[in-house]
Amino acid sequence: QSALTQPASVSGSPGQSITISCTGTSSDVGNYNLVSWYQQHPGKAPKVLISEVTKRPSGVSNRFSGSKFGNTASLTISGLQAEDEADYYCCSYAGSATWLFGGGTNLTVL
Amino acid sequence: QVQLQESGPGLVKPSETLSLTCTVSGGSLRSYYWSWVRQPPQRAMEWIGYSFDGGSTNYNPSLKSRASISIDTSKNQVSLKLTSVTAADTAVYYCARAMTTGGWFGPWGQGTLVTVSS
Repeated sequence: QSALTQPASVSGSPGQSITISCTGTSSDVGNYNLVSWYQQHPGKAPKVLISEVTKRPSGVSNRFSGSKFGNTASLTISGLQAEDEADYYCCSYAGSATWLFGGGTNLTVL
Repeated sequence: QVQLQESGPGLVKPSETLSLTCTVSGGSLRSYYWSWVRQPPQRAMEWIGYSFDGGSTNYNPSLKSRASISIDTSKNQVSLKLTSVTAADTAVYYCARAMTTGGWFGPWGQGTLVTVSS
C-alpha cells in the first residue's frame, strides 16, 4: 500500500476558492465511497472536514466540500479565510479493514 | 464529549519496544474501532491498526508483525506496542476513534512524539 498522492502545497487569496486533489488507485479511492478529509493546524490534532466523499459532519462549515471522480478525490474550500491556513490530509478505506492516508497538503492563504 | 489523551515515553532505544497508552474520557470504548495513526517528520500519515470492541484487531500490512493494539475497558484505555523499533518509527503517534470499518476518524488525541534514538 502506497500513500495517496496529494500536492505538497497550494495557495490562494482570501475570498478565493482552492481545490486539493487526492489520487489513489482502483483498490482504494476508486473502489469505495469512503474518502475523508482532515484539517490540521500546527501542533493540533486533525479535525474531520468531510466523510464518505461528500458529507460534512455536524459543525463543519459549508465552505468545505468534497467530490470524487475515478481514482481521484478532491476537497474544495470556498471563500478562503486566514484561519484556513493549515495542513490537509485525505484518507481512504483500502479494503480488508485497512485505511490509507495521503501525504498531506500545506495550504497558504496569501 | 469524548476526549482522547496519549501518553508514554518520548524516547525509545533502537530494537526496543515502543509502548503507548490512550486514555479515553467521556465515553465508552464499546462498539468503536480504536485506531493508532502516526505521522513521521516530513512524511505521510500512516494508519497503524485498530482494536474493535476489545476483541478483533487488524493492522497495516507493513507493520503487522510488529504492532499490537489492545483495550482495557476497566481503565478506558487503548494501548499500542510496537516491537523492534528503528529510527524510521520516529513519529507523532495519535489515537483516534472510528465508528465503522472504513469510516472517518474523530475525535483524535493531541498526539505524542516518540523519538527512536540511542
